[in-house]
Amino acid sequence: GEDVEQSLFLSVREGDSSVINCTYTDSSSTYLYWYKQEPGAGLQLLTYIFSNMDMKQDQRLTVLLNKKDKHLSLRIADTQTGDSAIYFCASEDDMRFGAGTRLTVKP
Amino acid sequence: DTEVTQTPKHLVMGMTNKKSLKCEQHMGHRAMYWYKQKAKKPPELMFVYSYEKLSINESVPSRFSPECPNSSLLNLHLHALQPEDSALYLCASSQAPRDTQYFGPGTRLTVL
Repeated sequence: GEDVEQSLFLSVREGDSSVINCTYTDSSSTYLYWYKQEPGAGLQLLTYIFSNMDMKQDQRLTVLLNKKDKHLSLRIADTQTGDSAIYFCASEDDMRFGAGTRLTVKP
Repeated sequence: DTEVTQTPKHLVMGMTNKKSLKCEQHMGHRAMYWYKQKAKKPPELMFVYSYEKLSINESVPSRFSPECPNSSLLNLHLHALQPEDSALYLCASSQAPRDTQYFGPGTRLTVL
């Protein structure tokens, strides 16, 4: 199977940009995903990127994919307190999730 | 309708009880999934149904028994659970297997 790794914690100030990183091992996944989970809630699909793309932008969200380094990142511009949550990256191929990055946004 | 619904939201059961979790979607999706999520951990895949047939069972103990009565419904029957089975149980669906998954809000299960 594939391993997906993320750093566990990130703390930023409101209005700053947040960058959440994810690395994965060998992958034949066509898509890579970012999900957001607020406390006590299910997972909300934020965005995804097709494996033949390098970058995808969706309003405040920018996804970068470096296939050579097997590195995926999610940038949130103008981070707000409502963005505080756990963010999971996931691969389509074997439906595995990273450990999740807990983003804390301080006012 | 782009929603996956799950009932109940919360469930407390004893180790000798039999209960069921229910998941429903009306998006015409043909793949449905059960995940288990322990506190501060990522979701772990349990079962995948593809076109109403069980396609993946991730070595889940037999005290968990999935059922897909039709393409919109997915059940998870629980029997003789252990306290360590307490977790958030998430259902998801996708247009086809390995497509983008949409998650329900989950059922918070506590086994006493």
